[in-house]
This record gives sequence, structure tokens and C-alpha cells, in this order.
Amino acid sequence: ETGVTQSPTHLIKTRGQQVTLRCSSQSGHNTVSWYQQALGQGPQFIFQYYREEENGRGNFPPRFSGLQFPNYSSELNVNALELDDSALYLCASRLDLSSVTDTQYFGPGTRLTVL
Amino acid sequence: AQSVTQLGSHVSVSEGALVLLRCNYSSSVPPYLFWYVQYPNQGLQLLLKYTSAATLVKGINGFEAEFKKSETSFHLTKPSAHMSDAAEYFCAVRLGGGSQGNLIFGKGTKLSVKP
Repeated sequence: ETGVTQSPTHLIKTRGQQVTLRCSSQSGHNTVSWYQQALGQGPQFIFQYYREEENGRGNFPPRFSGLQFPNYSSELNVNALELDDSALYLCASRLDLSSVTDTQYFGPGTRLTVL
Repeated sequence: AQSVTQLGSHVSVSEGALVLLRCNYSSSVPPYLFWYVQYPNQGLQLLLKYTSAATLVKGINGFEAEFKKSETSFHLTKPSAHMSDAAEYFCAVRLGGGSQGNLIFGKGTKLSVKP
């Protein structure tokens, strides 16, 4: 148990729809990151939030957006879903943004299927 | 570009045999390296991390890894495999803190353990 929870566990959407995935970080962790893990691949960094502001982004288009709230919860929003968006979406939180050795604690993920 | 290469997408060993999972990195800055394990339908769990304090790092469940700068490697080993070690293993690198604090993952190695 990492103390990071995600909802829902599974989700099925249709191409063109919008989706919101939710994450609850460990208490006290002010940095949250989202990753996309396609089948058979390693996780790919989407973006990172620190104190409710985006603080780093990977190679993902603007239709991937996020929010972070003061209560250690966060959201990943994806607009105009495409078939290639089907993946496991992982949320990870950590305590110290400035630390290079700080551990990222991952949630169990949300499995998104786009039909 | 900074990257992580894991040699062998699948590794199969017998119970009680040595486990060796390979990871090489390319980085123009001192890397901070991590090994994570992912069990089926679960998120990622930290096995161990290299923090520059010692080149031989001991982790959970009997795993260890050795950082070799000359070989740009951080291979994961365990002297004696157990059936419960069957999972997918990911090597990851972090290049810095702040907005550079995301993890860059390899594609993963799936470990099978035969009875």
C-alpha cells in the first residue's frame, strides 16, 4: 500500500469523448505526476503538478490537462479521445519537489479503453 | 536524449536460480536510478534506488543493484529466485529536481519463474 489511490479502476469510452481520472496523493505530498503506460511499454511521463500549478510536461498534446487541489487530490482530463489513448494511467506523488532522490509512490492505475 | 535501455523483454529462470535483469542508461548528467516492480493489474512499487551514497544498493525482497559508471549500467540481481518474484520490472532514471524530476522508464522486463 502506497497511500495513493485512483478512481475509477476501469473505464470504457468512445472515440471523441472526454474523460476525467482522479487521484488522491499521500498526505503531505505536494507534488503529483501522471504517467501513461501503453500495453507492453514502460510508463511515459505526461505532466507534473506542484502546489496546484503545472511544473513540467512530457511529449503529450494540450488535450491532456490536469488539476491539483489543496486537499492532495488531482485530476487528469483528456479531451477528444483517440484509440491510442487506451492505456493504464498512473498517478504518482512525492514529498519533495527539489530532491533528486525522493521516491515517487504510485497508485494502482486506471485502465482506460477507447472504442 | 536521455534514455534507459532494458535488455531482454522476457527473462525466464528456475526457482532458486540467480536473477539478473539488465539496465543501461544514457545521460549527460549524473543519473539517479530506480528499479520498480509491477505485479499484474497493479501499480509500481519501488524496489531500490541509487542515491550516490553507495554503488551497491540493497532493496526489498532480497534484490540488489550495482551502479557502474564506466559501463553506464545499473543491473538488478537476486541470488535465488522465488515464485513470488514473477512480475514486470522497470528501470528508471531521474535527471534532476524540480521540473526535471520526472522518471524516464525503460520498456520493462517480464520475469517468469519456473518451478
